[in-house]
Amino acid sequence: DAKTTQPTSMDCAEGRAANLPCNHSTISGNEYVYWYRQIHSQGPQYIIHGLKNNETNEMASLIITEDRKSSTLILPHATLRDTAVYYCTSPQGGSEKLVFGKGTKLTVNP
Amino acid sequence: GAVVSQHPSRVICKSGTSVKIECRSLDFQATTMFWYRQFPKQSLMLMATSNEGSKATYEQGVEKDKFLINHASLTLSTLTVTSAHPEDSSFYICSARAEGRADTQYFGPGTRLTVL
Repeated sequence: DAKTTQPTSMDCAEGRAANLPCNHSTISGNEYVYWYRQIHSQGPQYIIHGLKNNETNEMASLIITEDRKSSTLILPHATLRDTAVYYCTSPQGGSEKLVFGKGTKLTVNP
Repeated sequence: GAVVSQHPSRVICKSGTSVKIECRSLDFQATTMFWYRQFPKQSLMLMATSNEGSKATYEQGVEKDKFLINHASLTLSTLTVTSAHPEDSSFYICSARAEGRADTQYFGPGTRLTVL
């Protein structure tokens, strides 16, 4: 199974970069890493995904280590609205099913 | 793009009744959709995989006769909670897999079910 581990919680000052780590040491070579975030009582929101190369979109950047065993989601200028639970996930061993851990609760402080 | 809707957003029902929840992919077709359940302060738990035109695949411990899933078109999957009981009260979330977009799953806004 492509299991992921993330810190339980993190704090970040408004306007600063938020760097959220994720370990996915059992990921297979052709499995993507996906990042989502969930604000209370809402469905998860897709942020970004990657396979081997670093990726950037209008929401965030994703840095994946060369051995693909870990990645870091970067929110370059965190705002109060970025306070949420962030999930790093990957398909479950050869299937299309995503497994969600507990995620990281990011709190952006004013 | 990649918008998924759910209806209703919130439902309250009496114990013993059935409730149907709809999940629609609005701007893309989805051969595969997924249904999750989330209890307070817990993570998402996959209940079943819904495949267009075929039977759903249920995760271990999920009763297929209680949680009926129908995926009749490439943009619609429904979850029916039959004979609902208070312990079925939860936040139900669907996702749709966008083929051609690295199989990214896009999630609906969720449905809050309360069984009295």
